[in-house]
Amino acid sequence: ETGVTQSPTHLIKTRGQQVTLRCSSQSGHNTVSWYQQALGQGPQFIFQYYREEENGRGNFPPRFSGLQFPNYSSELNVNALELDDSALYLCASSEDLSETQYFGPGTRLLVL
Amino acid sequence: QQQVKQSPQSLIVQKGGIPIINCAYENTAFDYFPWYQQFPGKGPALLIAIRPDVSEKKEGRFTISFNKSAKQFSLHIMDSQPGDSATYFCAASYMSAGNKLTFGGGTRVLVKP
Repeated sequence: ETGVTQSPTHLIKTRGQQVTLRCSSQSGHNTVSWYQQALGQGPQFIFQYYREEENGRGNFPPRFSGLQFPNYSSELNVNALELDDSALYLCASSEDLSETQYFGPGTRLLVL
Repeated sequence: QQQVKQSPQSLIVQKGGIPIINCAYENTAFDYFPWYQQFPGKGPALLIAIRPDVSEKKEGRFTISFNKSAKQFSLHIMDSQPGDSATYFCAASYMSAGNKLTFGGGTRVLVKP
């Protein structure tokens, strides 16, 4: 059984560009949550997808958007990148909505 | 506002010592309190979790103490080892609303040999 995987591992973009991050959930998991972790801080909840539908959103602007596919993998898209978007982006999957979340290794995004 | 406050920010102990990390929450609707361990360059890994109907839970060398009336919970690492050196995060969530985790700020623990 494979765990949660994310791609790419690292990414460098310039301000104003757009980025897409990808997450493959653990086998048998139908729920994916995305978190942003700034350097030296705890992760912050961005949004959650359950069976291809958004199930809640944290305090992030609309330029952060997402998608979940029929195989329950997920994408996080960020438009009009800002310097403050530089962070580790974590994806977590769970077997169902109210179950333990298992995190991937994250994608490190640097915005210059 | 839903917040989880964690202290201290960093901790240094000798091997065999007992690092203690404390967290306080505001929202009494939270019903799930996990602790995560994170090594540099890795994602957080679940260590242990507790529900508010239990005052203490032990798993191996890790113990959570929970005080519902004070809205506080803590992590104790018994017989700490250098391999326990990592950043620890407490979190809280409403399990019934999809377990969207609210994290504390983290505690960097260094266990000296």
